Amino acid sequence: SQKIEQNSEALNIQEGKTATLTCNYTNYSPAYLQWYRQDPGRGPVFLLLIRENEKEKRKERLKVTFDTTLKQSLFHITASQPADSATYLCALANTGGFKTIFGAGTRLFVKA
Amino acid sequence: DAGVIQSPRHEVTEMGQEVTLRCKPISGHNSLFWYRQTMMRGLELLIYFNNNVPIDDSGMPEDRFSAKMPNASFSTLKIQPSEPRDSAVYFCASTLSSGVYEQYFGPGTRLTVT
Repeated sequence: SQKIEQNSEALNIQEGKTATLTCNYTNYSPAYLQWYRQDPGRGPVFLLLIRENEKEKRKERLKVTFDTTLKQSLFHITASQPADSATYLCALANTGGFKTIFGAGTRLFVKA
Repeated sequence: DAGVIQSPRHEVTEMGQEVTLRCKPISGHNSLFWYRQTMMRGLELLIYFNNNVPIDDSGMPEDRFSAKMPNASFSTLKIQPSEPRDSAVYFCASTLSSGVYEQYFGPGTRLTVT
C-alpha cells in the first residue's frame, strides 16, 4: 500500500540554524509533492509545491528538493525563527492533483 | 475573501445521534475535499468533489458516512449514526482544479462522540 514516512520524533533546533525535514514514500509515483504547515488547533496551510520533473523549489527561506529515484523530499528552513515552530506535513498527489495523501507530520521546535 | 468556512467549530454528541458538518469553500474554487485527522491515523482524505460531483469516495470509512455538495458554495458531511471512534477533527479544503493544486483548509470541526 502507499506509504509516506516523516520523522516521527520532534526536531529541536536553535534559532538561526537550518531545519531539515525528511519525507520518504513507497509504492507511489506522485506527480506533485507539497509541504504544509499546521499550527495547533488550525488547519494546514500550503507552503510549497514541487512537480515530479523539478529537482528543487525555493520560496524566501524555504527550499524543497524532490528525488523521484530515492522517493524522497527534503524540506529546508534557513535562518530558522521561533515563529517557524509548528508541525510540517508532506503531501503527495497524483496527476490531476486531487487524490492527496498526507504524511503524519514532523513537529519542529525552534529555540530562541 | 473569508477563506474556507466550517461549522460548527466544535460538536459534542452522544453515540447514535446524527451529526452534520458544514463547509463553504472559497468563492471560485471548484474542487472540495473532506479530511479527517486523528493522532493515530493522521490526516485522511474521505471524499472529494469536482464541480459539485463526487469524484472519489473511497476514503469514506463506512456507509454511516455520506457527503453532498448541492451547489458550488456548500457541502455537508453527515454521520448517521455516530460512534465514539468517529471522534476526530474534520477538515474541509478547497482548490481550483485548473492546474493549481494547493489546497486551502478550513479551521476544522472538532467532533466528540460520547
